[in-house]
Amino acid sequence: GDSVTQMEGPVTLSEEAFLTINCTYTATGYPSLFWYVQYPGEGLQLLLKATKADDKGSNKGFEATYRKETTSFHLEKGSVQVSDSAVYFCALSDRNTGNQFYFGTGTSLTVIP
Amino acid sequence: DTEVTQTPKHLVMGMTNKKSLKCEQHMGHRAMYWYKQKAKKPPELMFVYSYEKLSINESVPSRFSPECPNSSLLNLHLHALQPEDSALYLCASSEGLAGDTGELFFGEGSRLTVL
Repeated sequence: GDSVTQMEGPVTLSEEAFLTINCTYTATGYPSLFWYVQYPGEGLQLLLKATKADDKGSNKGFEATYRKETTSFHLEKGSVQVSDSAVYFCALSDRNTGNQFYFGTGTSLTVIP
Repeated sequence: DTEVTQTPKHLVMGMTNKKSLKCEQHMGHRAMYWYKQKAKKPPELMFVYSYEKLSINESVPSRFSPECPNSSLLNLHLHALQPEDSALYLCASSEGLAGDTGELFFGEGSRLTVL
């Protein structure tokens, strides 16, 4: 079945450090891939997405590239800010499974000044 | 600002109470979802409505009863809940289901505490 494996947290970084959160997936078809972010006390917000192989999603300085050969969708940001402190969820949606969403376990990021 | 609106934001109820959570979207989306999220965990799917019909029920106990009065509204009726049902309940919507791999749009959630 479909699944998402996400890097365990928590992750603590200093401001302006480089961020990578690893995400790999298993899917029967050709899924779309997403990164969602959840700030404390809030719902999930879409951060970026990619719908086919080699697509790069980007938003607010974050990037992730859909790599079919390695079944990965790693999230990166070159210089994190304190305001990036949140929980990040990798997710996939696969039309072969009725477009159900599969979420990773989430990675908590804390950025310290 | 989220385009999926959930009320109330916070709810405290006893185990014998009956209450409802409400969700509204005006994006013309045809699929709506209820998720349950415990602290530091990913959302867990509870129910999916597609074109106002229940299409997925993930073996949720009957003390949770969903209702979709129209394509813009989704309710979750709560009765005789247990303390372990305390969680953040998230509503989401998407453009459709069949052949659609677009994103889910989430509300900010209703934080439920069962005493």
